[in-house]
Formats: sequence, C-alpha cells, structure tokens
Amino acid sequence: SAVISQKPSRDICQRGTSLTIQCQVDSQVTMMFWYRQQPGQSLTLIATANQGSEATYESGFVIDKFPISRPNLTFSTLTVSNMSPEDSSIYLCSVLRGVTGELFFGEGSRLTVL
Amino acid sequence: AQRVTQPEKLLSVFKGAPVELKCNYSYSGSPELFWYVQYSRQRLQLLLRHISRESIKGFTADLNKGETSFHLKKPFAQEEDSAMYYCALSGRRSGAGSYQLTFGKGTKLSVIP
Repeated sequence: SAVISQKPSRDICQRGTSLTIQCQVDSQVTMMFWYRQQPGQSLTLIATANQGSEATYESGFVIDKFPISRPNLTFSTLTVSNMSPEDSSIYLCSVLRGVTGELFFGEGSRLTVL
Repeated sequence: AQRVTQPEKLLSVFKGAPVELKCNYSYSGSPELFWYVQYSRQRLQLLLRHISRESIKGFTADLNKGETSFHLKKPFAQEEDSAMYYCALSGRRSGAGSYQLTFGKGTKLSVIP
C-alpha cells in the first residue's frame, strides 16, 4: 500500500482567491492523479501529473484554473485558482501502484468556497 | 469513451440478507474493472478487482462481458458493510501511455440491524 498525505484536509475560502493543495507520497511513483468529487457526484479526474512533464488535463479542466506542479516523484500540488462556489468540492490525490491498476487515495481536501 | 453506470444511489438491506450492487460499463476495449469502497471517515480504497477473481470480506464480482456488467454481491450482509461503493473501469489511452480510471457515481449501502 501507499501512504498519501494531503494538506489541507479542509478549508473555507473566499470567492476569487486561490488555494494550493499538497500531496505527499511515502515512496516514489510515476503517475499521480488529481480527482474532484463534488457533492452527490462521482469522482472526476482533473489531470494526470507525471514528473518531468506537463500535466495532462481532462476535458473540461484547464491549466489556468487548476495549475499542477510535480517537482519530484513523491510530491505534487494542485492549485484551484480564482475560486467560485462551484469549486466547492473534495479534491483527492491518488497514485497508481504496479501494473494491476490499483489506485491509492489520499484522505482528500474538502474545499468550501463562500 | 468509457463510462460506468451504477443505477442505485442508495441500497438498504437487512442484516443477513443478500446484497447486490449493480454496475454496468461501456468500453470499446478489454476492460479492467474494480470495486472501491469508502467507509465512514476513511479514505477510498480498493475492495476487489475482476482479474483477481477473489472474494474480499465475503464480496465477489463477476465480469459479464455479454451484459457489460460487474455486479458486486455478498450472500449475507453485515452491519460493517455499510459504506459507499464505487465501480470503476480502467483503460490505457492508446499512444498516450497514460492511464484513466473512470468511476461510477457510487451506491450507498446501508445495512439495517
């Protein structure tokens, strides 16, 4: 298994501000993923972050709104920029281990935008 | 495009009753399917995967390619099974070398004592 730590675990933010979520993994991983889970909805992949290359964003998500950093094989950040109440959600960091497709998840960062 | 459908948002059963959480998928290639579970105040974690053909905590799931289904079953529900269950499908995007796991919307299982 993988130990994944996310910070902050929750935050309340004002409209128009930005928040950076950190994800720390206890061992080196190639692929890290950022998901969003809106209230009553499923998990939606925002982007895939590979070390040494730019993040790959899914349809509906853009770098200007969700800039991602991946400075090394154990760490990544996701920034939610210029927040609006629609960005209120749980943001989850996850990593892929091995070739069997199992994802390990952080505990999530619950973001509320007023 | 890959899609996962879980038709039930909420499923309530009595303790000891059989449980079946439905999952249907849409995928053009050969799918890899998973069930993830999230217990109260815990992180999302893998419950089982179809390639393992294993039983975890009494749960099993059989991939039915003809019906494009991967229903999760347990013959006798326990109170500790109460949780949120997500069906997920994985697929590698051709030429991209990347990986995508698509989740269903989840089913909340409530086991009544």
